[in-house]
Amino acid sequence: ELKVEQNPLFLSMQEGKNYTIYCNYSTTSDRLYWYRQDPGKSLESLFVLLSNGAVKQEGRLMASLDTKARLSTLHITAAVHDLSATYFCAVVRGGADGLTFGKGTHLIIQP
Amino acid sequence: GAVVSQHPSRVICKSGTSVKIECRSLDFQATTMFWYRQFPKQSLMLMATSNEGSKATYEQGVEKDKFLINHASLTLSTLTVTSAHPEDSSFYICSATVWAYPSPYEQYFGPGTRLTVT
Repeated sequence: ELKVEQNPLFLSMQEGKNYTIYCNYSTTSDRLYWYRQDPGKSLESLFVLLSNGAVKQEGRLMASLDTKARLSTLHITAAVHDLSATYFCAVVRGGADGLTFGKGTHLIIQP
Repeated sequence: GAVVSQHPSRVICKSGTSVKIECRSLDFQATTMFWYRQFPKQSLMLMATSNEGSKATYEQGVEKDKFLINHASLTLSTLTVTSAHPEDSSFYICSATVWAYPSPYEQYFGPGTRLTVT
């Protein structure tokens, strides 16, 4: 059974600081996804990581994937209040299967 | 491009009634659609996988007779919650994939439907 673990589950930080969210998964997977969810809203796609060593960046967010360690990270640089949200990583079991999600990281950035 | 819509966005129904939720891919034909459920302050859980013209595949623990899924076309999947009870109250989100344009790997999520059963 595929399990996806995120940590931390809750993070409160100040604007301007850097931090990293970690995502571990238990079995081999083809793809890893990062999503953002605002309260009461659906998911916003951030990154899709497809191969070992993949690194993608968008603004203050950077995601990386180490398939050998079954680990992905989402790094936040110089955080701003607008990045406050819940961040989920998710892994596909293979082929056209649906996603298995981590529990999410609730991020609060204090102005 | 790659827009997925859901209807209704919010529904309140009485216990024992049935509710139908529609998921549409507006500008592409979806190879596969997925249905997820999210309880308050929790993660998303995959309920079922839906392919056009075939029976849905349900995840372990999901009652297929309670959550009826119909995928009548490449752009429409419906989820019917039959004989709804308060414990079925949740946020239901669909997603769609296509093994071509705009991206073979992306999953496009709908805006979600909030179901409240009284």
